[in-house]
Amino acid sequence: DAGITQSPRHKVTETGTPVTLRCHQTENHRYMYWYRQDPGHGLRLIHYSYGVKDTDKGEVSDGYSVSRSKTEDFLLTLESATSSQTSVYFCAIRPGQGRETQYFGPGTRLLVL
Amino acid sequence: QQQVKQSPQSLIVQKGGISIINCAYENTAFDYFPWYQQFPGKGPALLIAIRPDVSEKKEGRFTISFNKSAKQFSLHIMDSQPGDSATYFCAASIMGNTPLVFGKGTRLSVIA
Repeated sequence: DAGITQSPRHKVTETGTPVTLRCHQTENHRYMYWYRQDPGHGLRLIHYSYGVKDTDKGEVSDGYSVSRSKTEDFLLTLESATSSQTSVYFCAIRPGQGRETQYFGPGTRLLVL
Repeated sequence: QQQVKQSPQSLIVQKGGISIINCAYENTAFDYFPWYQQFPGKGPALLIAIRPDVSEKKEGRFTISFNKSAKQFSLHIMDSQPGDSATYFCAASIMGNTPLVFGKGTRLSVIA
């Protein structure tokens, strides 16, 4: 998994509660990404980061926020979880500097009741 | 707006046969086209990638064919094996600049 861990791996929560997912890398890569994967939709980009404190929105950013205060950690927060945010969330990293390959973490399965 | 369209959604192939998955893109600025393979319960992993200066790239049983004028690229899996059964995603990006945009995926089943 290219030195990427995601926590928690599974979570069940209730509608309206805040949820934070963590992505941790040991590779010191510059770029980090959060995707969600849903049947029929493939992988959709939520937010991404191109450095500490540098983040940008992806295709499906509404209802999500991110923070990156250290190179190794990229946090995804659902401010007030909704059932439509039930999904599998993947973090990915990319070295940059001409190296394009994205490496994905093992995923977090989130169920919002 | 779906920038990368992938087909078919699912595919069943006999063991030893050829699996073909197709993708079409809209943005002519895209210059990096990878394919990812995902097994159940795992994250996607890079399988093979191509840049538009070549029309074909082969790695073992996996080949990408690229048609710049048609804005299409495809993955061919020769001598398909049951172990190839997985979901395959095509993607595209502008190198060094934009995040990958993924197709919706193809679920491949290789049956004996």
